[in-house]
Amino acid sequence: AQSVSQHNHHVILSEAASLELGCNYSYGGTVNLFWYVQYPGQHLQLLLKYFSGDPLVKGIKGFEAEFIKSKFSFNLRKPSVQWSDTAEYFCAVSSNTGGFKTIFGAGTRLFVKA
Amino acid sequence: NAGVMQNPRHLVRRRGQEARLRCSPMKGHSHVYWYRQLPEEGLKFMVYLQKENIIDESGMPKERFSAEFPKEGPSILRIQQVVRGDSAAYFCASSPVGAEAFFGQGTRLTVV
Repeated sequence: AQSVSQHNHHVILSEAASLELGCNYSYGGTVNLFWYVQYPGQHLQLLLKYFSGDPLVKGIKGFEAEFIKSKFSFNLRKPSVQWSDTAEYFCAVSSNTGGFKTIFGAGTRLFVKA
Repeated sequence: NAGVMQNPRHLVRRRGQEARLRCSPMKGHSHVYWYRQLPEEGLKFMVYLQKENIIDESGMPKERFSAEFPKEGPSILRIQQVVRGDSAAYFCASSPVGAEAFFGQGTRLTVV
C-alpha cells in the first residue's frame, strides 16, 4: 500500500540549531514529492516540491530537501532554524500509479526555543 | 486568481444534524481533495474527485459521509447525523493534474 512515514512526531530545537526531518515513502512509479508547513492556526502552505531534475531542491525560507531515490527518502533540512519556524511540517507524495492522489505523512511538530 | 475557498470557516452542529462543507477550487483546477485533521494527528486523506467523478474515496468512512464535485458549483463534503467524533478540521485542496495541491483555510467542525 502507498504510504508516507515521518520519523519524528515532535522535535524541539534551540534557535540557530540545524534541522533535519526525515521522510520515507512507499510508492511505485514516478513520484512527485512535497513538503508543506502549517503554522499555528493556519492552513497548509507549500515549502518546496520535487518533480524531476536536480534531487536537491531549494524552497522558501531557507529550507531544502534531498530526494534519494535508492532510499525512498525526501528529508527536509535547514541549516539554522528560527523561532518563527515553529510549526507542523508534512511530507507528501503523489504518483502517477496512484492517480496523482496526494498522500501525507503524519506530520512533525517543530518547536524552536528562542 | 483567488485561492481555494472553503466555507464556512467554523461550523457548530448538534449530534444528529447534518454538516455541509463547501470548497471552491482555484480557477483552472480540475482536481479536488478532502482531508481530515484530528487533534494531535496528521492529515488523513478522505476523497479525491474530478468534475462529476469520484476518483478515490478509500479514506471516506463507509457510512454518513459523502462527497460530490458537480459540473457547476463547489465541491461539497456532507456528513449526515454527525457525532462528537466527527469534530475535526476539514481541509480541501485543489490541483491541476499531476501538480502540487493548494489548500484552503479549512472548516473547523465542532459537534456538541
